Amino acid sequence: AQRVTQPEKLLSVFKGAPVELKCNYSYSGSPELFWYVQYSRQRLQLLLRHISRESIKGFTADLNKGETSFHLKKPFAQEEDSAMYYCALSQLETSGSRLTFGEGTQLTVNP
Amino acid sequence: NAGVMQNPRHLVRRRGQEARLRCSPMKGHSHVYWYRQLPEEGLKFMVYLQKENIIDESGMPKERFSAEFPKEGPSILRIQQVVRGDSAAYFCASSPRTGTSGNTIYFGEGSWLTVV
Repeated sequence: AQRVTQPEKLLSVFKGAPVELKCNYSYSGSPELFWYVQYSRQRLQLLLRHISRESIKGFTADLNKGETSFHLKKPFAQEEDSAMYYCALSQLETSGSRLTFGEGTQLTVNP
Repeated sequence: NAGVMQNPRHLVRRRGQEARLRCSPMKGHSHVYWYRQLPEEGLKFMVYLQKENIIDESGMPKERFSAEFPKEGPSILRIQQVVRGDSAAYFCASSPRTGTSGNTIYFGEGSWLTVV
């Protein structure tokens, strides 16, 4: 069965500090991984996906199949990065673009 | 493109009443997904629909919950005889097609249900 784990529910850093949000997954097929961001009581927005290998708002994430991880990183956090971040796995082989989400990490960037 | 539209944004129901949440997918999208976000928890998949078909309802509670996506009109998530535990944010998402690597789903702004 597929599973996405975000071990940290809360993460607090200071402005300008590096930040890493951890994500591990388990999936028997070939995964497609995403990071979504949710600002307070708003819609989830796609932040990035592993296949595009692009950087959005300074965030990057590399899929490490050996460690089954897809950690989200940013070298210098900004206050506006404070939000809930969800790692998600897409099960293309089974059910459309259904996503399995991790529990989320609430990032707080302090001034 | 207006994006995925959900209404109502906020809904208050008394225990035992029915709640109906509507979702209009993005233009050109024929696949709709419903997710539930309970307080202090992550998003949980509920159901995946295409026009007039339920493809995967493995995340739907067995009783009181139903979903449809008719040929015309929005997708509806219906909760009968609501209980306090149904209080949550319900997010709808849509995608243009399935089975294509790199496909992306887009989320609506959510409907917040409060059961009093």
